Amino acid sequence: GQQLNQSPQSMFIQEGEDVSMNCTSSSIFNTWLWYKQDPGEGPVLLIALYKAGELTSNGRLTAQFGITRKDSFLNISASIPSDVGIYFCAGQLTGAQKLVFGQGTRLTINP
Amino acid sequence: EAQVTQNPRYLITVTGKKLTVTCSQNMNHEYMSWYRQDPGLGLRQIYYSMNVEATDKGDVPEGYKVSRKEKRNFPLILESPSPNQTSLYFCASTFTGVRSPLHFGNGTRLTVT
Repeated sequence: GQQLNQSPQSMFIQEGEDVSMNCTSSSIFNTWLWYKQDPGEGPVLLIALYKAGELTSNGRLTAQFGITRKDSFLNISASIPSDVGIYFCAGQLTGAQKLVFGQGTRLTINP
Repeated sequence: EAQVTQNPRYLITVTGKKLTVTCSQNMNHEYMSWYRQDPGLGLRQIYYSMNVEATDKGDVPEGYKVSRKEKRNFPLILESPSPNQTSLYFCASTFTGVRSPLHFGNGTRLTVT
């Protein structure tokens, strides 16, 4: 099936640093989503992007839907300890409920 | 509280012993889906259901069965589990036809020895 390439696979940063991760695909998507998974829990939606070029913020998080519709990035500014977790990108085609997920980026923060 | 509930949270079993993981949602969602999560592979879809009595294969359906007799429930059945089905499983649900996020359960960690 389709797959998204998400990078980096893991990040080790200091508290207060900014974080950037991205996803690329060989296929175009009409919707890009970013989820976060805390230990022992299911993924929770952070940001949804519905239009090519769209830039959306949610607090310290900012995500963009690439112009080509084949990529997206997520930035986290001024990281804090509760940002630790696994971040997943997901692509979706209009009219299709199926999400295609990236492999995840595991974020670790040193206090 | 709106939620997707999976049971059990943890399960250790032996090869060949049939098991069922239950999933229930209280949000009246039409769409439900099962995913498995493995290190380095992200979440891969096993089966999905667009509504009652409407199920279809995802990307990795081999060795699994599902049923959707009621809107709220979507059990995952492993008729003869094997060690390669050791994984973390997530059930998810959402509304169809609208921009509605996928709501995930808290996961079931299955170990098959």
